Amino acid sequence: DADVTQTPRNRITKTGKRIMLECSQTKGHDRMYWYRQDPGLGLRLIYYSFDVKDINKGEISDGYSVSRQAQAKFSLSLESAIPNQTALYFCATSLYFDNEQFFGPGTRLTVL
Amino acid sequence: GQQVMQIPQYQHVQEGEDFTTYCNSSTTLSNIQWYKQRPGGHPVFLIQLVKSGEVKKQKRLTFQFGEAKKNSSLHITATQTTDVGTYFCAGTLEYGNKLVFGAGTILRVKS
Repeated sequence: DADVTQTPRNRITKTGKRIMLECSQTKGHDRMYWYRQDPGLGLRLIYYSFDVKDINKGEISDGYSVSRQAQAKFSLSLESAIPNQTALYFCATSLYFDNEQFFGPGTRLTVL
Repeated sequence: GQQVMQIPQYQHVQEGEDFTTYCNSSTTLSNIQWYKQRPGGHPVFLIQLVKSGEVKKQKRLTFQFGEAKKNSSLHITATQTTDVGTYFCAGTLEYGNKLVFGAGTILRVKS
């Protein structure tokens, strides 16, 4: 079984809709991350959490919010989706902030 | 802006040729990590370098961390079609608390 799972794997939605992407992990890691991948821009950090009570903005947090429901769950929300949020989204976990990160399979989001 | 720069953005090589991707930071890094993402897949950790001047090898892959801890490279000897994908470097800025990823180098191997 995968250690880091993401749902949904693919989603097509319309401008203005609220979308939630979910991430679950069984690795027992405190640290969780949401990244966005766009061609030519690599992986950009949206939000990160070092434990359930610690949520931090990354470099591109505008238009996004997160919720850390438990150690194992970290959700990303787009309150009102817009077309330039069309991208591949990855969740990741790590034991410490400078340890290797374990990525989920990704969610491909298309906003029309 | 992006604090970890990676070049080239794209490289297409003939199978058997060597390949190198470079990673540069304007500030000192406490460590550097390398990841590989196969087409349609997710990034997978390859290695971490921590010490100044460190060199590590994994079969045909050689990783280096610069003496000033501001640059790193990944060299693949005699590429194979299984090497195709995007290679990312990611560094932790000195006194920072998160990884910063480079934009990645896309490698295509022609057989």
